[in-house]
Amino acid sequence: EVRLVESGGGLVQAGGSLRLSCVASGFTFNSYWMNWVRQAPGKGLEWVANVKEDGSGKNYVGSVKGRFTVSIDNAKTSMYLQINSLRAEDTAVYYCAAGSGWISGYWGQGTLVTVSS
Amino acid sequence: DIVMTQSPDSLAVSLGERATINCKSSQSVWSSSSNENYLAWFQHKPGHPPKLLIYWASTRESGVPDRFDGSGSGTDFTLTISSLQAEDVAVYYCQQYYSAPLTFGGGTKVEIK
Repeated sequence: EVRLVESGGGLVQAGGSLRLSCVASGFTFNSYWMNWVRQAPGKGLEWVANVKEDGSGKNYVGSVKGRFTVSIDNAKTSMYLQINSLRAEDTAVYYCAAGSGWISGYWGQGTLVTVSS
Repeated sequence: DIVMTQSPDSLAVSLGERATINCKSSQSVWSSSSNENYLAWFQHKPGHPPKLLIYWASTRESGVPDRFDGSGSGTDFTLTISSLQAEDVAVYYCQQYYSAPLTFGGGTKVEIK
């Protein structure tokens, strides 16, 4: 059974930092691109970042470039999202998703990040 | 960035009737090298993660009922639910994965009339 479990969310002040984690199991982790997708309260889905299975390729949406860093640890079948300089507009549920290529077929339940001003 | 525009924002359909959702991309998401459209559809229910329904514009994900059908090419795409069931109430999103940043449409909320 495929499982993706996010953690690390919480309440943080604007300007602060958080590190989100996503632990994967049930599939060949080092064969899949990994993604972060978020949903702000009352809003739609927004793709945030992805990382290639070997960590050699990374992409980000413009609004997080320079503040967010995605990484993977194949030995721990885990993906991380380091979030710095948090803003109110970063408040969202952050989902981890895995896919063949850039198709996100597997999703976690999400972790909530709340930024207080 | 490729902008994805969905229509309508919401629709109410009677049980057993057809629901049609449109998605338009600001540039083509078709690749001549692979002859594929890099377009996916997701279903999102409150309290649950999004679920992949369709990829390559028309390929149904394993386990997805055949009442869900994706069509279109280039910049214009459609998701059709041929006979709406109660469990289909959700928000539906299209997403292009042709180029980074990957982008979603704004979503279409489907309800029962």
